Amino acid sequence: EVQLVESGGALVQPGGSLRLSCSASGFTFSRYDMHWVRQVTGKGLEWVSTIGTPGDTHYPGSVKGRFTISRENARDSLYLQMNTLRAEDTAVYYCARSQYYDNNWYFDLWGRGTLVTVSS
Amino acid sequence: QSVLTQPPSVSGAPGQRVTISCTGSSSNIGAGYDVHWFQQLPGAAPRLLIYGNNNRPSGVPDRISGSKSGTSASLAFTGLQAEDEADYYCQSHDISLSGYVFGTGTKVTVL
Repeated sequence: EVQLVESGGALVQPGGSLRLSCSASGFTFSRYDMHWVRQVTGKGLEWVSTIGTPGDTHYPGSVKGRFTISRENARDSLYLQMNTLRAEDTAVYYCARSQYYDNNWYFDLWGRGTLVTVSS
Repeated sequence: QSVLTQPPSVSGAPGQRVTISCTGSSSNIGAGYDVHWFQQLPGAAPRLLIYGNNNRPSGVPDRISGSKSGTSASLAFTGLQAEDEADYYCQSHDISLSGYVFGTGTKVTVL
């Protein structure tokens, strides 16, 4: 079955760190760009990070310098290292796969998400 | 912070036609980037509904369609059904932000 399964979400204090994992199965993981997208409860979706097939990484300003995305193709796994966490980072974090065509990208496969709560 | 604007909610009776707008700018939709749409049922992950402005993945009924014009896009339901009650998000790419952007989200209610 083609799927993504996230893990690692937890309650962490402000200023703390956390590492999320995403395990892929049912497809050739190394051939796809991979992403993290988050959603505050009751709010909209926010792109958090991207790692391309060659290993290039991209972040929005809200997490740049604090979050690091990485991948381990041999393990079909995606990671998100989150440092200096803030209350506003509290959200469900989704792992997502994208498809590319003609300078466009869309997220065609999503995991079920893992909850990160930043609170003292 | 969403840069694509959607109406917070739309509603309709079963069988009616409803549309959801997604308004962007010259740095995203207006720059030529395509628009994609996602459905999110309560408590579930987003699911791809439309890609490339008007293409349906396998399993999405043809009563659901998308379109794009200028700096905006639309998602339309012809023959609204109870199972369509969910949150919907548009998505594109933004050249100024060098990243992916989502809409503010629209809740569809079937009366």
